[in-house]
Amino acid sequence: GAVVSQHPSWVICKSGTSVKIECRSLDFQATTMFWYRQFPKQSLMLMATSNEGSKATYEQGVEKDKFLINHASLTLSTLTVTSAHPEDSSFYICSALGPNTEAFFGQGTRLTVV
Amino acid sequence: DAKTTQPPSMDCAEGRAANLPCNHSTISGNEYVYWYRQIHSQGPQYIIHGLKNNETNEMASLIITEDRKSSTLILPHATLRDTAVYYCIVRNIQGAQKLVFGQGTRLTINP
Repeated sequence: GAVVSQHPSWVICKSGTSVKIECRSLDFQATTMFWYRQFPKQSLMLMATSNEGSKATYEQGVEKDKFLINHASLTLSTLTVTSAHPEDSSFYICSALGPNTEAFFGQGTRLTVV
Repeated sequence: DAKTTQPPSMDCAEGRAANLPCNHSTISGNEYVYWYRQIHSQGPQYIIHGLKNNETNEMASLIITEDRKSSTLILPHATLRDTAVYYCIVRNIQGAQKLVFGQGTRLTINP
């Protein structure tokens, strides 16, 4: 099946700094990617829909100025957590839509803000 | 909001068939039923999807009721590696095509 790669798989950062997470579709082009956040023992929560060449669409309650999304190419979307705080610590997961509308997920990025 | 309801947890013996139910009584005509699973600390893995006919692949079978208000995912011969959280999702493959996750079913396969 199609492969979606996230980088890094885990990151620890200091409070107040920014962290960038990359999501790449390795063997297909993805005009649409999705970003999710997952807290321990909870389900995935959709944060935003990322469309290549246009602004991301954020779900209600997600701060667009805090979670910056850039989808500059058909194989790469990035999520930047700006001015991170401990409450932003979570498991961030991206998904890319394949050619047959199937959604393929990355392996996730575990962010810890100290 | 998720449009499906699933039991929070289930147990199954290794080697037996695992049958995971899902209710989606408000599903509309252009929405598909998708199943994903998530093994601890990994991204979700696609299992199967269908519209109204039963579907089978190398991983599982999907049985959709005639009125499409519920479905069952069947893992025919469960192994310990099938222990995971299983998510049933209804999805419109037109428009935004978002996948909205509910709480899922935590399936534990016991030796």
